[in-house]
Amino acid sequence: GAGVSQSPRYKVAKRGQDVALRCDPISGHVSLFWYQQALGQGPEFLTYFQNEAQLDKSGLPSDRFFAERPEGSVSTLKIQRTQQEDSAVYLCASSLITPHEQYFGPGTRLTVT
Amino acid sequence: AQKVTQAQTEISVVEKEDVTLDCVYETRDTTYYLFWYKQPPSGELVFLIRRNSFDEQNEISGRYSWNFQKSTSSFNFTITASQVVDSAVYFCALSEEAGRRALTFGSGTRLQVQP
Repeated sequence: GAGVSQSPRYKVAKRGQDVALRCDPISGHVSLFWYQQALGQGPEFLTYFQNEAQLDKSGLPSDRFFAERPEGSVSTLKIQRTQQEDSAVYLCASSLITPHEQYFGPGTRLTVT
Repeated sequence: AQKVTQAQTEISVVEKEDVTLDCVYETRDTTYYLFWYKQPPSGELVFLIRRNSFDEQNEISGRYSWNFQKSTSSFNFTITASQVVDSAVYFCALSEEAGRRALTFGSGTRLQVQP
């Protein structure tokens, strides 16, 4: 079956622009996670959904970051007024239910100029 | 707080050599889960294995094997007879039963297998 998909794969934004990153999890997966991966580092947790409920958003670095999953399937990570330090790969992962293994999408590489 | 340490930043071996990637973790939970992921140059994280804290049996899958030792808080990964296709960054990760359900990753070990 289809894996986790993310779009766009690459995004270049000028500083101050808003961006929206989309994640389509594996069908039927209850849990959805967003991670941020800086160059040469391991992924770092941003936020976690169980169905449509955002159960943990403690990893979001600032109030410019916002995530939603309104129908418990597709999720969108929005970054407002992007800054250069937001440049990273944003990874989405889904799992049947925690703590099962998480399956990752290909990521969205965001470059803020 | 949970923490995963992968002290080896980069390892280079010649094809057919065996190689072990180290992973040391910290957690206060008695129930937790350990994972290994592979990130090839294409960038997509590939799940390799999950172990729970109550299962200390070593596991073997083809050329891959994992050694889980609670006494030393380690979960090491060995590739036997390495191949060029094994070249990638390997991440060890931890999640807790009672705490944060997200994965806490180590900083990764870059493995280069030379032909």
